[in-house]
Amino acid sequence: NAGVTQTPKFRVLKTGQSMTLLCAQDMNHEYMYWYRQDPGMGLRLIHYSVGEGTTAKGEVPDGYNVSRLKKQNFLLGLESAAPSQTSVYFCASRSRDRGDTGELFFGEGSRLTVL
Amino acid sequence: AQRVTQPEKLLSVFKGAPVELKCNYSYSGSPELFWYVQYSRQRLQLLLRHISRESIKGFTADLNKGETSFHLKKPFAQEEDSAMYYCALITTSGSRLTFGEGTQLTVNP
Repeated sequence: NAGVTQTPKFRVLKTGQSMTLLCAQDMNHEYMYWYRQDPGMGLRLIHYSVGEGTTAKGEVPDGYNVSRLKKQNFLLGLESAAPSQTSVYFCASRSRDRGDTGELFFGEGSRLTVL
Repeated sequence: AQRVTQPEKLLSVFKGAPVELKCNYSYSGSPELFWYVQYSRQRLQLLLRHISRESIKGFTADLNKGETSFHLKKPFAQEEDSAMYYCALITTSGSRLTFGEGTQLTVNP
């Protein structure tokens, strides 16, 4: 039972490079989220999706793009990486079913360093 | 817009001492509040939610709508409680979960 899986777990980029983080969930959840975790700033929402083919901006969307082409996958892209995007990125998902308790299920995180 | 504030970034107590992690929120409607925990080298996981009114690992949290607070408490801290704790809020009509800044709890032997 994999739950939420993120790849890659670690990545080092040079300024200006691009990359994509992949999040996959096998729980048939409708909602998916990308957060970044920085010391002293907690978890900040980058983008989220309430269903296949839909995305929406969170608190800190600049410099990132996302796509939800399949229900189980949520991709986070950095077109031109900047040192300010050095962070740990977490993907999460949750159900929209009746009786949903709001609980988020998280991936293990992806540590990204931009030099 | 909703907001969650955890005023203490770091909290250190001795084993067996009571611990209280503070959480305040701002939201004009009726929120649902949660506490999430991240143990070292583990993924974030739900600790408890206010609607359940349950005690998990000895922790409890009471929603105080008058003070807009949802403080997490445990009467006798254990070393294994050392972790990062996040308070979170979800609006009843929304799909977003907003997190606080987090409190790093260290329980010393």
